[in-house]
Amino acid sequence: DIQMTQSPSTLFASVGDRVTITCRASQSISSWLAWYQQKPGKAPNLLIYKASTLEGGVPSRFSGSGSGTEFTLTISSLQPDDFATYYCQQYHSYWYTFGQGTKLEIK
Amino acid sequence: QVQLVQSGAEVKEPGASVKVSCKASGYTFTSFDINWVRQATGQGLEWMGWMNPNSGNTGFADKFQGRITMTRNTSISTAYMELSSLRSEDTAVYYCARREVRGKRAFDIWGQGSMVTVSS
Repeated sequence: DIQMTQSPSTLFASVGDRVTITCRASQSISSWLAWYQQKPGKAPNLLIYKASTLEGGVPSRFSGSGSGTEFTLTISSLQPDDFATYYCQQYHSYWYTFGQGTKLEIK
Repeated sequence: QVQLVQSGAEVKEPGASVKVSCKASGYTFTSFDINWVRQATGQGLEWMGWMNPNSGNTGFADKFQGRITMTRNTSISTAYMELSSLRSEDTAVYYCARREVRGKRAFDIWGQGSMVTVSS
């Protein structure tokens, strides 16, 4: 199985900060990576797919990059609504796996 | 609008089975895979398996092999996930999610979640 490792597990930041979350795959997944945002008590919400394509309706301050085994999610200027937990997910094969999550908290 | 609506909360005893439903609306049910993902309280997302509603083909994470079944009723655009031999560690919120087989290939629409509690 392909393992996904996110870092950091928790990230403290302030409104207006630029933040980056990293996701590493245990083997190459090409660009078959998605990023999701989850708020407490809610289902995850797709932000980015194919490593760098923004889902419709997602603010442009979110961006994704990478290919192969290393990927990043960047939020260019944090807004109050962005404090949540973020998950990466690989879909290279028919066995999909998530990273363990990164909780973005207010500093 | 496009949505997945799941069945309500369940409480089951250890050793029992649970069947969660996921009703699709606003799109052609047979054109997208349905995946199931669970999340224990305070924990991350765990992918369980997928089903193609058109063919009925399925694939499961190794952890659930032999304990999980995924079925569908295309006449009412509903997918089902049944988990058997329940234990306390299966207590979690269970989500269904739609996946476009071509194109995005990510989980773009999610159900609201169904809480399953396993307790004696």
